[in-house]
Amino acid sequence: ETGVTQTPRHLVMGMTNKKSLKCEQHLGHNAMYWYKQSAKKPLELMFVYSLEERVENNSVPSRFSPECPNSSHLFLHLHTLQPEDSALYLCASSQEGTGGNPDTQYFGPGTRLTVL
Amino acid sequence: GEDVEQSLFLSVREGDSSVINCTYTDSSSTYLYWYKQEPGAGLQLLTYIFSNMDMKQDQRLTVLLNKKDKHLSLRIADTQTGDSAIYFCAESDRTGANNLFFGTGTRLTVIP
Repeated sequence: ETGVTQTPRHLVMGMTNKKSLKCEQHLGHNAMYWYKQSAKKPLELMFVYSLEERVENNSVPSRFSPECPNSSHLFLHLHTLQPEDSALYLCASSQEGTGGNPDTQYFGPGTRLTVL
Repeated sequence: GEDVEQSLFLSVREGDSSVINCTYTDSSSTYLYWYKQEPGAGLQLLTYIFSNMDMKQDQRLTVLLNKKDKHLSLRIADTQTGDSAIYFCAESDRTGANNLFFGTGTRLTVIP
């Protein structure tokens, strides 16, 4: 399944670095999501973009900054991260408003982030 | 807020059936989902069930929903080594999946 791609797949960065995670969906969807997956914890929804407008920001620290330039692309800009931010960052997309069917989210493979 | 719980680990022998259980607290859940995550990969949607259904079958997969007890299960018949993965239960409270709440995931290990 290559409907949702993420780059890079692995990233190691120092606490003072600035990096960006990229997500691209090829499914024609109109909503995109960033999730954080940490060991033994439920997936945490970080950001939701619907029709390129941010609709949810679940109290995510400002060192994470999302950007959605169009409906196919989503970025997560990272700066001055902490070691506890090390996790798998998953991107997902869905088509909202399908009328009667669930707006199923399709996930990318994730970016494994390690903060030193 | 919504709480979705799963046991962390399950081991079965190849050829046996696997049953992965999930409980949730939100009585307004509309759709319940099962996702599979293989090592190094993202989440793959396996199946979903609408809250007014009791059962849904799709080839080797059977989903059972007990809405009264807020209990969801996924049965995998004739479990294969390729089924080894983490299985996530998730629920949403409306047709839109913006508010999708996941459990911690159950790691299924299939023993040859």
